[in-house]
Amino acid sequence: ETGVTQTPRHLVMGMTNKKSLKCEQHLGHNAMYWYKQSAKKPLELMFVYSLEERVENNSVPSRFSPECPNSSHLFLHLHTLQPEDSALYLCASSQDLAREDGMVFGPGTRLTVL
Amino acid sequence: GQNIDQPTEMTATEGAIVQINCTYQTSGFNGLFWYQQHAGEAPTFLSYNVLDGLEEKGRFSSFLSRSKGYSYLLLKELQMKDSASYLCAVSTSGGSYIPTFGRGTSLIVHP
Repeated sequence: ETGVTQTPRHLVMGMTNKKSLKCEQHLGHNAMYWYKQSAKKPLELMFVYSLEERVENNSVPSRFSPECPNSSHLFLHLHTLQPEDSALYLCASSQDLAREDGMVFGPGTRLTVL
Repeated sequence: GQNIDQPTEMTATEGAIVQINCTYQTSGFNGLFWYQQHAGEAPTFLSYNVLDGLEEKGRFSSFLSRSKGYSYLLLKELQMKDSASYLCAVSTSGGSYIPTFGRGTSLIVHP
């Protein structure tokens, strides 16, 4: 149990579908992150929320839409994705930004876009 | 932005010592992290260095030289379970202190 949960763990969707990824943490952390992990590439930061306010949006296509309704939950809404969006989507949380104790990652959602 | 470089893959023998290097080029340096990621699992935090020197934590140690833009992770008494990807990440003040990750080093430990 990492303290950060993600659902679903696996998702297969067509390019015209709309789906959402969910992340939940009960660690009392104030910052939450979405990262994309593709084979042979570094972890790519997508979105960061601190105290429910978006801090960073790393030039992510608009077909990805984040939502942070409270400090414990983070969503990533997906629509009209492309096959190249197939990847592992990792959620993470930390007490605050700039913390020396690092981030806690969830197990990820393995997304396949057909 | 940051330029973070790590070897792609390393192999080592059970019981041996291995050093995984990470070099970076950045401004506003605010710390360097190492994470371990087993295949199919989430990354887990190993260490954080913000001052020069060696930080020891059991079988794992991490070293930082800010003037050289260089860090290494030292794994001693290697075990088969240490086979994993090791991710170096750098935090900067210009990047809202959010770590930027390198590509990771895949370590294979063989008997």
